[in-house]
Amino acid sequence: DAGVIQSPRHEVTEMGQEVTLRCKPISGHNSLFWYRQTMMRGLELLIYFNNNVPIDDSGMPEDRFSAKMPNASFSTLKIQPSEPRDSAVYFCASSVPLSNYGYTFGSGTRLTVV
Amino acid sequence: SQQGEEDPQALSIQEGENATMNCSYKTSINNLQWYRQNSGRGLVHLILIRSNEREKHSGRLRVTLDTSKKSSSLLITASRAADTASYFCATLGNNAGNMLTFGGGTRLMVKP
Repeated sequence: DAGVIQSPRHEVTEMGQEVTLRCKPISGHNSLFWYRQTMMRGLELLIYFNNNVPIDDSGMPEDRFSAKMPNASFSTLKIQPSEPRDSAVYFCASSVPLSNYGYTFGSGTRLTVV
Repeated sequence: SQQGEEDPQALSIQEGENATMNCSYKTSINNLQWYRQNSGRGLVHLILIRSNEREKHSGRLRVTLDTSKKSSSLLITASRAADTASYFCATLGNNAGNMLTFGGGTRLMVKP
């Protein structure tokens, strides 16, 4: 298995533009998580899906952020419009609930909004 | 919000020495996990210890859990330069579904 695959690896965009981050979880993992990591705030959970259904989106900063999981093999995190304070590394992770092996993280998308 | 808090925030040791990192948490847990993050990479799962376990080993890693003190420690023995990374503890609460809460991490530097 290639692990959790995120794209793009790096994204530089101008303030006000729409940004879409993509994630392919590991096949058979039915939980998917989006995290944001910054030096100031550390690792923050944005949203959590179970069996493609959003379970907890209380970490989504505001209405500019939205996430979808149309099927078990694909999820997107969209920011519209983007702002400089959205600059961060965004991670996707997947897991089997209550597994001994924890979460498997993707390599992240480094987003810079200028 | 962060449930687990690591201590120290940063640790610098010489190759061959042991490194100990601590994690404290606030609420009852199902399990506690430790992850490593190399610079510019995603987190990698190292070890999981359940609430009814007190100690677990994996290679050069030793994890202890004290549920009465709501704390855990990660010991890396005979450290190597390649162990340089940030280490995070994460807790799964009893009513949290499958949602881990991560701490702020300990930055470990192992000097050759």
